[in-house]
Amino acid sequence: GAGVSQTPSNKVTEKGKYVELRCDPISGHTALYWYRQSLGQGPEFLIYFQGTGAADDSGLPNDRFFAVRPEGSVSTLKIQRTERGDSAVYLCASSPQAGGEQYFGPGTRLTVT
Amino acid sequence: KNQVEQSPQSLIILEGKNCTLQCNYTVSPFSNLRWYKQDTGRGPVSLTIMTFSENTKSNGRYTATLDADTKQSSLHITASQLSDSASYICVVRDNNAGNMLTFGGGTRLMVKP
Repeated sequence: GAGVSQTPSNKVTEKGKYVELRCDPISGHTALYWYRQSLGQGPEFLIYFQGTGAADDSGLPNDRFFAVRPEGSVSTLKIQRTERGDSAVYLCASSPQAGGEQYFGPGTRLTVT
Repeated sequence: KNQVEQSPQSLIILEGKNCTLQCNYTVSPFSNLRWYKQDTGRGPVSLTIMTFSENTKSNGRYTATLDADTKQSSLHITASQLSDSASYICVVRDNNAGNMLTFGGGTRLMVKP
């Protein structure tokens, strides 16, 4: 069956621009997670959705980062006024229920020049 | 702060050899520990999961061990193959935090012919 998909796979943007990263979870999965992974490091938690609501957004580094999941399925991570330090791979994962195994997407590699 | 430390950071072995990767954690109270395999440019994929009461779990050529008293885990790879070249990430779930995972930095394994 279809796994978690993320688009785009690669995104290059200039410093100061706005970007949106999309995550399509596995159908029926209620929990959705966003992570950021810098080169050579493990993923770092950003935000977790249970259904349409953000159950935990404690990992968002600052108010330039925002994520939505309006219909409880697809999620969009939005980054305003991008900075070079935002360059990383942004991973999305979904889970059938809270606390269940997380299935990861391939990630979006964001490069801010 | 919950931490997960992995060693070595990187490892090169010859095809057919065995290797052992280490994971130490401070997460408490502990819910479960997973080892993930992450191929280059892909999202992490779960290899094994162990709860507090489990000491060892195997998945093919992968065998994970857990010592909950010393808060240590290891992943042993037997008869390595070229396709084992990847990053291996130790991930610990904090029982208090519900769905929060703490990721180690990973061990980058390269298997050479």
